[in-house]
Amino acid sequence: RKEVEQDPGPFNVPEGATVAFNCTYSNSASQSFFWYRQDCRKEPKLLMSVYSSGNEDGRFTAQLNRASQYISLLIRDSKLSDSATYLCVLTSGTYKYIFGTGTRLKVLA
Amino acid sequence: GAGVSQSPSNKVTEKGKDVELRCDPISGHTALYWYRQSLGQGLEFLIYFQGNSAPDKSGLPSDRFSAERTGGSVSTLTIQRTQQEDSAVYLCASSLDSSGNEQFFGPGTRLTVL
Repeated sequence: RKEVEQDPGPFNVPEGATVAFNCTYSNSASQSFFWYRQDCRKEPKLLMSVYSSGNEDGRFTAQLNRASQYISLLIRDSKLSDSATYLCVLTSGTYKYIFGTGTRLKVLA
Repeated sequence: GAGVSQSPSNKVTEKGKDVELRCDPISGHTALYWYRQSLGQGLEFLIYFQGNSAPDKSGLPSDRFSAERTGGSVSTLTIQRTQQEDSAVYLCASSLDSSGNEQFFGPGTRLTVL
């Protein structure tokens, strides 16, 4: 089983739609979780950290489910500018970051 | 600067030549990472620095790859005798320390080996 698994997509959604991505992980000892976004031919940029209690940043909500070992990202009221690849990232051990291969989102006008 | 910087942004070289890629992390960040990303692929871990030491070089694909970090700041990734399969984007990231804080990425160096 891969350490981190994501549905590669693409998820094609109309503007204004709500879309959710999940990411499953295999290492139950992982401590820190993040969502990054990566635009085409650009570097990954931190979208948000993910906490056990769940956290929200504007239209974005992230959840962590330790029991089932997955994290999720919900995007409400999708904008054209949300089109990107979303990377699930978690830590393994004290310093290592494990990156998912990403879920591609296309928001359509 | 405010963010991680890398140079050059693009490098085209001939097979067999050596290249040096530079990374300047965010000031005060002790942890520094190098990754490689081939077109349409995920990030491949290469090496991790804590301060000037590199406790994990496990991701370096061959002995043609080496990296150093001096003064706990700037890092250089060197690829000797480049091969076409080395063509990729090389990304550098830094984080405050090694306790699981978020990483911040530089814009990358796009390496093309002809």
